[in-house]
Amino acid sequence: GESVGLHLPTLSVQEGDNSIINCAYSNSASDYFIWYKQESGKGPQFIIDIRSNMDKRQGQRVTVLLNKTVKHLSLQIAATQPGDSAVYFCAEMMGAGKSTFGDGTTLTVKP
Amino acid sequence: DAGVTQSPTHLIKTRGQHVTLRCSPISGHKSVSWYQQVLGQGPQFIFQYYEKEERGRGNFPDRFSARQFPNYSSELNVNALLLGDSALYLCASSLEVRLNTEAFFGQGTRLTVV
Repeated sequence: GESVGLHLPTLSVQEGDNSIINCAYSNSASDYFIWYKQESGKGPQFIIDIRSNMDKRQGQRVTVLLNKTVKHLSLQIAATQPGDSAVYFCAEMMGAGKSTFGDGTTLTVKP
Repeated sequence: DAGVTQSPTHLIKTRGQHVTLRCSPISGHKSVSWYQQVLGQGPQFIFQYYEKEERGRGNFPDRFSARQFPNYSSELNVNALLLGDSALYLCASSLEVRLNTEAFFGQGTRLTVV
């Protein structure tokens, strides 16, 4: 069977490697999800979004996967760079500007 | 173009006092949302205002209130401050409130209650 990725509060990767950040959400009726990146001293910054009628969406170096069966999201970052070091949050969106954020994952990229 | 601006950036208050935090949305944005982010946690939704009306409220006590002005700027007020109110308060603005409308966050106001 398919395994559900564990949410880890911290993740350390080597520069150039791929990163996978996992998130579990709570509301099976949620229709729209966003991944945010938050750097130290800054507010969250939009990375990528996905609607519930999709299971995969790709951006520049990032891919979001959605598994509605187990209420799980993942963010994949290709060729991770030092500038990717930040806290990453997934969020269920109930309306523009009204989101429920998950527990964050702190990504550290080692040079 | 200026992004979402919040003031002040930092402030220290004493328990029992009240505080007013301010937010100016991106020009043309009509919706403002407020979040509280306690250290080590994700942001928690407090309020959303759109066209000067409250459109949503999170699970926060009545000590928290907000309003939106005709120019779409917003204030968050917190009365009878508690130590637990120490947090980063974030403001987000969006053009409107439809589900797929992107919200942009300010850098936040760091409130410390002593």
